[in-house]
Amino acid sequence: DAGVIQSPRHEVTEMGQEVTLRCKPISGHNSLFWYRQTMMRGLELLIYFNNNVPIDDSGMPEDRFSAKMPNASFSTLKIQPSEPRDSAVYFCASSFTGTRQSAFFGQGTRLTVV
Amino acid sequence: RKEVEQDPGPFNVPEGATVAFNCTYSNSASQSFFWYRQDCRKEPKLLMSVYSSGNEDGRFTAQLNRASQYISLLIRDSKLSDSATYLCVVNVPNQGGKLIFGQGTELSVKP
Repeated sequence: DAGVIQSPRHEVTEMGQEVTLRCKPISGHNSLFWYRQTMMRGLELLIYFNNNVPIDDSGMPEDRFSAKMPNASFSTLKIQPSEPRDSAVYFCASSFTGTRQSAFFGQGTRLTVV
Repeated sequence: RKEVEQDPGPFNVPEGATVAFNCTYSNSASQSFFWYRQDCRKEPKLLMSVYSSGNEDGRFTAQLNRASQYISLLIRDSKLSDSATYLCVVNVPNQGGKLIFGQGTELSVKP
């Protein structure tokens, strides 16, 4: 049974370039989360979808960040233009909304902006 | 006040020691609580859920104190392989499955 799949695993890009991160949640899950992790700030929730609809994007740092979920099996997180301070590990997680439902994480995308 | 707070550690303990982590949360209406484990450069993985009555899984015991809004994790007879960062996780009420993570507590078990 496949878990949450993220791509790419690693991304190195130059400042100013557009970066697109991809996520395929676990089949049957109806909630999807994008998190960012850095040493300084820990694991931060960027945006959360429920049934493909963005519910809470208050964690998105600024307008350079955008996320979409066109269907139940795919989501993207885009950064345009990218900046060095965006360097972090970006995790996608999914869950089935319900009592005591925990989230399952993908392996993450390690982004480096130079 | 942060929504979920943990002592960042690091906790350095010898093999066989008992170690306890605490976590506090700010929203008294939260209903779901979890402990996750994260190894270096890996994704967080669910360690155990936390139930009101307390629950145990082998060497791990989790407890919830709703009145004081804190959650604890006790690890007995610690192993070298327990070295990791332990993340406290709490749901946000009335927002479906939204989960907020604490900063994590780093544990290092030494021979």
